[in-house]
Amino acid sequence: KAGVTQTPRYLIKTRGQQVTLSCSPISGHRSVSWYQQTPGQGLQFLFEYFSETQRNKGNFPGRFSGRQFSNSRSEMNVSTLELGDSALYLCASSFQDRKETQYFGPGTRLLVL
Amino acid sequence: AQKVTQAQTEISVVEKEDVTLDCVYETRDTTYYLFWYKQPPSGELVFLIRRNSFDEQNEISGRYSWNFQKSTSSFNFTITASQVVDSAVYFCALAEGGGADGLTFGKGTHLIIQP
Repeated sequence: KAGVTQTPRYLIKTRGQQVTLSCSPISGHRSVSWYQQTPGQGLQFLFEYFSETQRNKGNFPGRFSGRQFSNSRSEMNVSTLELGDSALYLCASSFQDRKETQYFGPGTRLLVL
Repeated sequence: AQKVTQAQTEISVVEKEDVTLDCVYETRDTTYYLFWYKQPPSGELVFLIRRNSFDEQNEISGRYSWNFQKSTSSFNFTITASQVVDSAVYFCALAEGGGADGLTFGKGTHLIIQP
């Protein structure tokens, strides 16, 4: 079974721009979660999607948003990028619930200049 | 609120030594789930183990073993006869049964295995 895939793997943007990251979960998995990893804050939960609905959300500003499609693929969007948004963005999928084992993708490294 | 503490920021040992990575957690839930993940330099988090709060049985998988003690709120991870390939950052994480957040991660322990 193919693992979680994320595209693109690397991105360079400038302040004020917006960015969209994509995640394809493991086949059959319906829960997709997103995490941000920075050297200062570590790994932080962004949000979780299930059946095309946002089920949970972490403590991030409204500039961070996401969506999930009927095939469980998910995208996250960051608008009006700030320097502090530079991070590794990790997507994880699980069968139905965030309390189950989450399997992570390779991540997208975003650099904001 | 839940919290995970990995007090060891970095550990360096010589190959073939045994090493234990500590994890202490805080939660008010009686039902919760604990995880360990490995993050090699490539960045991808690799799942190692999941344990629920009702199962205190220790587990061994090859050179890896985990010691779960509810009395001390700890879920420690031991690598026996370490190898250079074990070098990575290891994260302990918690998911509360009744909470709405995703996984709460510790800050990670950077393990360096020297040949």
